[in-house]
Amino acid sequence: DIQMTQSPSSLSASVGDRVTIICRASLSISNYLNWYQQKSGKAPELLISAASSLQSGVPSRFSGSGSETVFTLSISSLQPEDFATYYCQQSYSTPWTFGQGTKVEV
Amino acid sequence: QVQLVESGGGVVQPGRPLRLSCAASGFTFSDYGLHWVRQAPGKGPEWVAVISYDGSRKYYADSVKGRFTISRDNSNNTLNLQMDSLRAEDTAVYYCAKDPRRYCISSSCMGGYFEDWGQGTLVTV
Repeated sequence: DIQMTQSPSSLSASVGDRVTIICRASLSISNYLNWYQQKSGKAPELLISAASSLQSGVPSRFSGSGSETVFTLSISSLQPEDFATYYCQQSYSTPWTFGQGTKVEV
Repeated sequence: QVQLVESGGGVVQPGRPLRLSCAASGFTFSDYGLHWVRQAPGKGPEWVAVISYDGSRKYYADSVKGRFTISRDNSNNTLNLQMDSLRAEDTAVYYCAKDPRRYCISSSCMGGYFEDWGQGTLVTV
């Protein structure tokens, strides 16, 4: 199975900060990498697919980059509604696997 | 818009069965593969199973293979998960989720990610 490792596990930030989350795959997954946002008590929501393709309706302050084994999710200017947990997920091969999550806190 | 509504969760004793359902609307149900994804308390999500658009192919995570069965009813826009021989480690919120690609049978054709999610149903073993 492909292992996905996120760093950091949690971070503290303020409104307006730029935030970057890193996701590493245990082997090369090309650009088969997706990012989700999950707020407390809610289902995850897809933010970005194929490493950098923003889903419809997702604010442009979110961006994704990377390929092969190292990927990043960036939030250019953190907004109050962005405080949540973020997960990366590889769609390169089954079983499709997630990272352990990064909690973005105030 | 896409709506996925899970039901059937609850408290069950170890070794007993439980059947989850997911009612879908807002898209052409019979065109898309559908997944079950679960999330144990305080943990990240875990993909559980997927079924092809026509129900002909099914894929499972090793952790549930031989115990869980995914199925679909394209005439009633319903996805199911039959869970047998439940274990304490199966305790989780179970979500149904839609694959982004149409008309895929093999897992290599499927998008393998989760474009839309239901609200989830809690299973406690």
